[in-house]
Amino acid sequence: AAGVIQSPRHLIKEKRETATLKCYPIPRHDTVYWYQQGPGQDPQFLISFYEKMQSDKGSIPDRFSAQQFSDYHSELNMSSLELGDSALYFCASSAEATGGEAFFGQGTRLTVV
Amino acid sequence: GIQVEQSPPDLILQEGANSTLRCNFSDSVNNLQWFHQNPWGQLINLFYIPSGTKQNGRLSATTVATERYSLLYISSSQTTDSGVYFCAVMNRDDKIIFGKGTRLHILP
Repeated sequence: AAGVIQSPRHLIKEKRETATLKCYPIPRHDTVYWYQQGPGQDPQFLISFYEKMQSDKGSIPDRFSAQQFSDYHSELNMSSLELGDSALYFCASSAEATGGEAFFGQGTRLTVV
Repeated sequence: GIQVEQSPPDLILQEGANSTLRCNFSDSVNNLQWFHQNPWGQLINLFYIPSGTKQNGRLSATTVATERYSLLYISSSQTTDSGVYFCAVMNRDDKIIFGKGTRLHILP
């Protein structure tokens, strides 16, 4: 079965650079979520989209932005990177029609040096 | 917002032992999931269980929505069961809130 695809799997950036993370949800899933997980922490909600419209927003820094495109893939853009942005970034998708069970991608490990 | 509390925070067991992990939540939920995060960081779906009881092999889960808790049972633990177990809930908002997890270490 198709799963949530994230790219890249690993990313190393320098401080003040920009990073773009991509997410391809499971086909026919209508909701996409982005999460940030620091070392030893639980995943923290950043933002979600329902049918390509932003539906909820968490503690996402102003330096971060996200969007969902017409083909349902989503991108998380992170600018002016800081050392503290180093984390595992997850994308997840779900379908309202099947109760909303969320499935997570393998994550993008971002290291800011 | 809704609070999710998991216990115990850490658990060390010998291979073959059984364990029960608990998740308490502070408000009614539309759905509840249990995940296993393996040592490589992957979040693996274990159960989607807003209410009732489900079983999958050595694992089973029960959610009592009216009393706002869920339990995950692991029987005959194996070393591959090691990792962090997260409970995650969704209520009225379109976001999934995670508990802080139970870190399980199974000794050979």
